[in-house]
Amino acid sequence: GAVVSQHPSWVICKSGTSVKIECRSLDFQATTMFWYRQFPKQSLMLMATSNEGSKATYEQGVEKDKFLINHASLTLSTLTVTSAHPEDSSFYICSAEMGTSGNTDTQYFGPGTRLTVL
Amino acid sequence: EDQVTQSPEALRLQEGESSSLNCSYTVSGLRGLFWYRQDPGKGPEFLFTLYSAGEEKEKERLKATLTKKESFLHITAPKPEDSATYLCAVQASSSASKIIFGSGTRLSIRP
Repeated sequence: GAVVSQHPSWVICKSGTSVKIECRSLDFQATTMFWYRQFPKQSLMLMATSNEGSKATYEQGVEKDKFLINHASLTLSTLTVTSAHPEDSSFYICSAEMGTSGNTDTQYFGPGTRLTVL
Repeated sequence: EDQVTQSPEALRLQEGESSSLNCSYTVSGLRGLFWYRQDPGKGPEFLFTLYSAGEEKEKERLKATLTKKESFLHITAPKPEDSATYLCAVQASSSASKIIFGSGTRLSIRP
């Protein structure tokens, strides 16, 4: 259980184009999903928190108009990188929070999407 | 400010040589501490959640422990397939669902 998928697993695009990445929780419902970015040999940096049916909460320094997040259902969140530039090239990872009856909710991660902007 | 520090940055062990990874944290009220394993080019794989000091959890050759200031991930008789980056993360009581990651420990096990 607790499987999260991402699509595509990798994408190459030209500078100035937009790219959409999908994140799905396959066997559970997730009211909250998260989007992270990871540069080589660095840890995960939270970009935004996505709540189903409401606007995403972005971390400081993350451009809302550049990284559009939509969480339309309890199993799907999308991240659209608009007008991508080479500096947006990175490894994008989503996670979904599985609610439990315990003290906290555990985040389960997708396999990641490698974005390369030429 | 909430902070997570992992040490060492990298660790190379011989197969069968047991060791421990450290995760020190400062947080305004700990809600949960998480350990993940990450292989190159993949997303983090969930290992453990610890909630309170004194708690321990085990999974195969891994055992995680928690005190009020730090957590240890003990690896007993590791095998080459245990090679990966191990990430520690904390969730503060005041930060809703958000978790803060440490920089990770890159573990390499030589056959």
